[in-house]
Amino acid sequence: GQQLNQSPQSMFIQEGEDVSMNCTSSSIFNTWLWYKQDPGEGPVLLIALYKAGELTSNGRLTAQFGITRKDSFLNISASIPSDVGIYFCAGYPNTNAGKSTFGDGTTLTVKP
Amino acid sequence: EAGVAQSPRYKIIEKRQSVAFWCNPISGHATLYWYQQILGQGPKLLIQFQNNGVVDDSQLPKDRFSAERLKGVDSTLKIQPAKLEDSAVYLCASSLNRAETQYFGPGTRLLVL
Repeated sequence: GQQLNQSPQSMFIQEGEDVSMNCTSSSIFNTWLWYKQDPGEGPVLLIALYKAGELTSNGRLTAQFGITRKDSFLNISASIPSDVGIYFCAGYPNTNAGKSTFGDGTTLTVKP
Repeated sequence: EAGVAQSPRYKIIEKRQSVAFWCNPISGHATLYWYQQILGQGPKLLIQFQNNGVVDDSQLPKDRFSAERLKGVDSTLKIQPAKLEDSAVYLCASSLNRAETQYFGPGTRLLVL
């Protein structure tokens, strides 16, 4: 099936720093999604991207839909302690618009 | 608006026992998903319902897993018999329709001993 590769696997940063993470696929995706999962909870949608090249912001978060449609990036600016969690990319592949695939996540730790 | 409800939140069983999980989606959401999330991995789709019909169950281990959504609202996921490798978080999600934004429940944490 479809596979998404997320990197880095984990990040340890200082409060106030900016963060970048990305997600790549060997096949084309029609939609890219970025979720955050807190301990003991389900993932919560942060940003959805629907068009190649699209750049969308949600507060301090900015995500981009790669022009090749095979990758996406998430940036967090001026990190704060509550940004701690696991960030997942997910997407709907071109071949099956109704079935999403998730990456294995980037674990973010923010040191105060 | 109430979110996706799941129960139980935690379950510990011995291998070869049976277990069932329940999900109540957001009111009006036609699509319901069950995911398995193994520690350190992203959620993996097990089964997707559109109303009370199965859209995709290609990754459901049908020899031991079953799921139903009889009236197109609540859903149950059953494992019978459980294996050690079934230890995971089972997440339920719902969306208005296919390919729409999915809203996740808090999950059921299953430990098989």
